Amino acid sequence: LAKTTQPISMDSYEGQEVNITCSHNNIATNDYITWYQQFPSQGPRFIIQGYKTKVTNEVASLFIPADRKSSTLSLPRVSLSDTAVYYCLVGDKGSARQLTFGSGTQLTVLP
Amino acid sequence: DTAVSQTPKYLVTQMGNDKSIKCEQNLGHDTMYWYKQDSKKFLKIMFSYNNKELIINETVPNRFSPKSPDKAHLNLHINSLELGDSAVYFCASSQGTSVNTQYFGPGTRLTVL
Repeated sequence: LAKTTQPISMDSYEGQEVNITCSHNNIATNDYITWYQQFPSQGPRFIIQGYKTKVTNEVASLFIPADRKSSTLSLPRVSLSDTAVYYCLVGDKGSARQLTFGSGTQLTVLP
Repeated sequence: DTAVSQTPKYLVTQMGNDKSIKCEQNLGHDTMYWYKQDSKKFLKIMFSYNNKELIINETVPNRFSPKSPDKAHLNLHINSLELGDSAVYFCASSQGTSVNTQYFGPGTRLTVL
């Protein structure tokens, strides 16, 4: 299993761009990088997934360097409602066995 | 309509009791999961069923027994509850076992006294 390392917590202010980096030095060739978001008292929600370079959707962007040993989740212009725990997962896209979420990054957006 | 639902939302019980948590999904998915989230937010997979067949059974005490009566339901029965079982339990579902398509339920907060 590719182990991931994320900051425990981050603070930001409304309207700023937030970048959360995840380290995964032992990522395997078949592994994808997936990010989930979890609000208090709710289950995690899929945000974005990528394999290499850059992926963008309506919620976030995911930047993956060529060596794939890290990835950065970018949230543009955060609002108070983006306060949540963000989890980085690395695993084979076809295998749920890889799904250990770790403790995530608590993002707190301040007014 | 709720995609993945769990009952009960809260469960408070004494040590040694037996309890069950129910999960239902109306997404037509063929794979369902149970996760445990501890007080430090560490979320770990416990079981997974694909088409009612157990495909993942992580290192979990055998006091925990999942049961899948059909593809839309995955229940979790816990015997002889212990203090360390206190956690939030999440049910999830997906079509196939792809990690990006999992939909999670709201969670069941279990407190063992």
